[in-house]
Amino acid sequence: AQKVTQAQTEISVVEKEDVTLDCVYETRDTTYYLFWYKQPPSGELVFLIRRNSFDEQNEISGRYSWNFQKSTSSFNFTITASQVVDSAVYFCALSEAGNTDKLIFGTGTRLQVFP
Amino acid sequence: GAGVSQSPSNKVTEKGKDVELRCDPISGHTALYWYRQSLGQGLEFLIYFQGNSAPDKSGLPSDRFSAERTGGSVSTLTIQRTQQEDSAVYLCASSLPPGTSSLQETQYFGPGTRLLVL
Repeated sequence: AQKVTQAQTEISVVEKEDVTLDCVYETRDTTYYLFWYKQPPSGELVFLIRRNSFDEQNEISGRYSWNFQKSTSSFNFTITASQVVDSAVYFCALSEAGNTDKLIFGTGTRLQVFP
Repeated sequence: GAGVSQSPSNKVTEKGKDVELRCDPISGHTALYWYRQSLGQGLEFLIYFQGNSAPDKSGLPSDRFSAERTGGSVSTLTIQRTQQEDSAVYLCASSLPPGTSSLQETQYFGPGTRLLVL
């Protein structure tokens, strides 16, 4: 069965610290997709990144970077030099090819960045 | 509009009443999803529409829940005889059809409808 685990319920950091949000997934499919979404206090889910299972290349976008490791079934998200505006709940999600493409979400990690 | 829109933003209803929630997807997006976000259950899939294909209703929690998508665009999620446990934020997402490119298509979410059943 498919499952996404975000073991960190809440993380608090001070501005300019680096922070890594962990995501571990389970799937039996060989073709699948991983996502990160951000949910700020306003409530809307904002897409951050999509990664497919056959592309393990890590990605960097500004202060954001993602580390995908199939060997450990992990897709971790790092924010470098965090800012107060990064405060939000971050969700990791999985979808399996041919399974309606529905998203299976983790329980989310609440990140609080203090000035 | 540019993004997914949902209405109403907030809905307060009494237990036992029916409610209708509306979703207007991004223009050109033929795939539409409904999810529910509640404190106890997190974010969970409800139903999926893709073009004229039969919808995937596997996530609907009970037969009190139903959804329609008319004309391949706007969708309505209906909850009959609402119960207090139906209180949640109902999120709609849309995407290009899966397989449009060689990769999974990204789902873009609306702002949600916050439902409170008293």
